[in-house]
Amino acid sequence: ETGVTQTPRHLVMGMTNKKSLKCEQHLGHNAMYWYKQSAKKPLELMFVYNFKEQTENNSVPSRFSPECPNSSHLFLHLHTLQPEDSALYLCASSPRQGGNYGYTFGSGTRLTVV
Amino acid sequence: QKEVEQNSGPLSVPEGAIASLNCTYSDRGSQSFFWYRQYSGKSPELIMFIYSNGDKEDGRFTAQLNKASQYVSLLIRDSQPSDSATYLCAEGNQFYFGTGTSLTVIP
Repeated sequence: ETGVTQTPRHLVMGMTNKKSLKCEQHLGHNAMYWYKQSAKKPLELMFVYNFKEQTENNSVPSRFSPECPNSSHLFLHLHTLQPEDSALYLCASSPRQGGNYGYTFGSGTRLTVV
Repeated sequence: QKEVEQNSGPLSVPEGAIASLNCTYSDRGSQSFFWYRQYSGKSPELIMFIYSNGDKEDGRFTAQLNKASQYVSLLIRDSQPSDSATYLCAEGNQFYFGTGTSLTVIP
């Protein structure tokens, strides 16, 4: 496996469910990011982890809970979501936060909340 | 709010023409910008990074940054149908992205 891998690719969940999104990178990077992409809206940065430490939480509701056990893995735990949370969730990585590095994005998880 | 604005398009150009994509930003402190390309149903992929005022060329792509006027642009020379995608502009911290400009290159 190379690059940034996200699973699952598609997820349908009820508003009372609990689910998790997984991201894994095989690039030796030390920073990982979660973004939300909704139609007609800019990419929204949600969380940033640099060397396993969370450095940014962009005012994300607590129903989204990130976890970064090591520099290669990133999770987004979801619970009691709302229909407006339906979107494409993208994970990205870079050598480290800052430093003008471009990001490598995963293919995303298309989330539908019903 | 540090905003990055893009014309959502769609922009259509004939094959072989120059496509010009523009982005304006509100924060005078922004020092650098990224351009990403996103094909339909795919994730963004990095095309260019520009830090200095002026032009930066990479193959058929040229990024231009004008800090005085607070705009950054991407020129695609000899446009090909395979360039048809949405192009995203992002300020250097990549906290703020534009909504993207949809480009269609007509054969």
